[in-house]
Amino acid sequence: AQKITQTQPGMFVQEKEAVTLDCTYDTSDQSYGLFWYKQPSSGEMIFLIYQGSYDEQNATEGRYSLNFQKARKSANLVISASQLGDSAMYFCAMREGMDSSYKLIFGSGTRLLVRP
Amino acid sequence: DVKVTQSSRYLVKRTGEKVFLECVQDMDHENMFWYRQDPGLGLRLIYFSYDVKMKEKGDIPEGYSVSREKKERFSLILESASTNQTSMYLCASSLGHQLLQETQYFGPGTRLLVL
Repeated sequence: AQKITQTQPGMFVQEKEAVTLDCTYDTSDQSYGLFWYKQPSSGEMIFLIYQGSYDEQNATEGRYSLNFQKARKSANLVISASQLGDSAMYFCAMREGMDSSYKLIFGSGTRLLVRP
Repeated sequence: DVKVTQSSRYLVKRTGEKVFLECVQDMDHENMFWYRQDPGLGLRLIYFSYDVKMKEKGDIPEGYSVSREKKERFSLILESASTNQTSMYLCASSLGHQLLQETQYFGPGTRLLVL
């Protein structure tokens, strides 16, 4: 079974509007962390935001926020006031606390295109 | 600023060639990782290393080996390249405190084409 599922292969959003990128996860661990990365066409993965399973508040970093719904096992990324530079691939990833390797498990990604 | 560099952005090799992909980080990180990225599959972990001369298999180690002789350098080796190893290869590093929230920092990637 997929540990991280991103059901939207591609999305469009109008500049200055908000957009939500979906991510659901599957784990039996009580302790885990969720990450979002951005990958522009240049290729480098850029860390955006982190949410811990025990964090009571949703994480926010500037225009990025994470809509964390633990019971639904979802960790959607919300980008407010989209900019042209937000056009990129976005990856959701998880680290499980019981995994001694502490590796990241990535979803298949969502390609976001911001329209002017 | 954390800097992870990879030796080549683009590489074209022939089937059967031995291929070396080099990765260097300048932040004294303990952990280093090699991923491959394929469309629709996301990133998959090939190998990782927690310390010099230490290595662990990831999810798809077949056909690859690694070397970590110095802390800052982690090499991925394709002993005999095959066409199904055509992919984007990403190197990453992290502090090594083994915390849930520890961020991995990535290099720019190497696009490898095996003919």
